[in-house]
Amino acid sequence: DTGVSQNPRHKITKRGQNVTFRCDPISEHNRLYWYRQTLGQGPEFLTYFQNEAQLEKSRLLSDRFSAERPKGSFSTLEIQRTEQGDSAMYLCASSLDAGRWKLFFGSGTQLSVL
Amino acid sequence: KNEVEQSPQNLTAQEGEFITINCSYSVGISALHWLQQHPGGGIVSLFMLSSGKKKHGRLIATINIQEKHSSLHITASHPRDSAVYICAVRNFGNEKLTFGTGTRLTIIP
Repeated sequence: DTGVSQNPRHKITKRGQNVTFRCDPISEHNRLYWYRQTLGQGPEFLTYFQNEAQLEKSRLLSDRFSAERPKGSFSTLEIQRTEQGDSAMYLCASSLDAGRWKLFFGSGTQLSVL
Repeated sequence: KNEVEQSPQNLTAQEGEFITINCSYSVGISALHWLQQHPGGGIVSLFMLSSGKKKHGRLIATINIQEKHSSLHITASHPRDSAVYICAVRNFGNEKLTFGTGTRLTIIP
C-alpha cells in the first residue's frame, strides 16, 4: 500500500464549470476527511466519513459542494458552478480510528478557477 | 470554536541549531497533532499526543494540558528539516481538526 492517493494533482477550470476530485484512502482506514487549504493558511475542515456515512460537514461546505464515499472505500468531492474563491488545495486524509490513530494525508489536488 | 495560534510564523536558523516551535489553543482538547508540510502540499503526521512528551529521532513534542500549550523541538537541525510545521487540535466530542496557520522553518547550511 502506498498511502492516500488523490487525483488529479492539478485541475485548472473556468468559472462556472463543475469539477470532481477523487481520494483513495489507505485500504483498512474507515475514516476519511476532506480539508481545504489556501496559500499561507492552515487546512480547514470540510467534511468527514466513517465508512460510507458522512457524519459531519463544515459550514464551509456550501450547496455547491458535495462529497460521497459510496462503498466506504474511495471518496469523491464535487464542486458545482465553480467560483474563483474555490481556488485552493483540496486535501484528503484517512485514519483507522479517531482518537488513537495518526492521520495520513494525500498530496492534495490543487484547483485553479480562472 | 478552538483558536490555535503558532509562533513564530517564520523561523530561519543555521544548521545544527536547536529549534522550538510553539502552539497555543483556547479550548480543552482530546488530542494535538504536529504535522510537517513540504512544498507541493504533502503533509506528514509527526506526532499525536494528549499528554506529556513524545520523541522520534531528533524531534520532540511536549504538551501542557493545563496551560493549553504544546512545543515541537528539533535538535541538531538540518536543511532537510526545512518545511512548514503545523499544529492541529481535536476538540472533545468532535471529529474535525482545527489547524494553526503553520510555522515556516528554513535551515541554512
